[in-house]
Amino acid sequence: AQSVTQLGSHVSVSEGALVLLRCNYSSSVPPYLFWYVQYPNQGLQLLLKYTSAATLVKGINGFEAEFKKSETSFHLTKPSAHMSDAAEYFCAVSDQDSGYALNFGKGTSLLVTP
Amino acid sequence: DARVTQTPRHKVTEMGQEVTMRCQPILGHNTVFWYRQTMMQGLELLAYFRNRAPLDDSGMPKDRFSAEMPDATLATLKIQPSEPRDSAVYFCASGKGFAVTEAFFGQGTRLTVV
Repeated sequence: AQSVTQLGSHVSVSEGALVLLRCNYSSSVPPYLFWYVQYPNQGLQLLLKYTSAATLVKGINGFEAEFKKSETSFHLTKPSAHMSDAAEYFCAVSDQDSGYALNFGKGTSLLVTP
Repeated sequence: DARVTQTPRHKVTEMGQEVTMRCQPILGHNTVFWYRQTMMQGLELLAYFRNRAPLDDSGMPKDRFSAEMPDATLATLKIQPSEPRDSAVYFCASGKGFAVTEAFFGQGTRLTVV
């Protein structure tokens, strides 16, 4: 069965600092990997996705993630945090075995301080 | 602007009452997911459909929850009877194709059972 682990339920960074949110996955078959963002009282919005093409994936709002098969990781980064980046971030995995249903991690709450 | 529409946005009901949540997927999308979000459990997959056929509902408490797609433009999630532990935000998401590479989420239904 596939699963996702997000290390750190809360991450705090200063405005302008590097953002690094960690995600490790397990899957017995080639996975699709996703990062979603959720703002308060909103649904989830796709930031970026890996679907077996380029391993370095660029998304919206300056975020990017790199698929590393050897490390089973898909960490999310942004060079310089903005106040508007404060939100909940979810990593998700899907694969053929799950019928391509998204299986989410527990989420990481990002706080950006002035 | 295509989006997934969920109704109602908020629902407060008494324990034992029936609750029906509705979802209108994006036109042309053939896959629909239902998720439940709570602080303790995060995002849990309850059920999903492809081409209106239920593929997996193993995440739902079978004795009280039911999910249907009466037609391609409507998905419903019912709870009967409702219990306080059902209080959560319920999200519907839709996507296109067999291997969904982007799931679009609705704004959610916030259910409170008192």
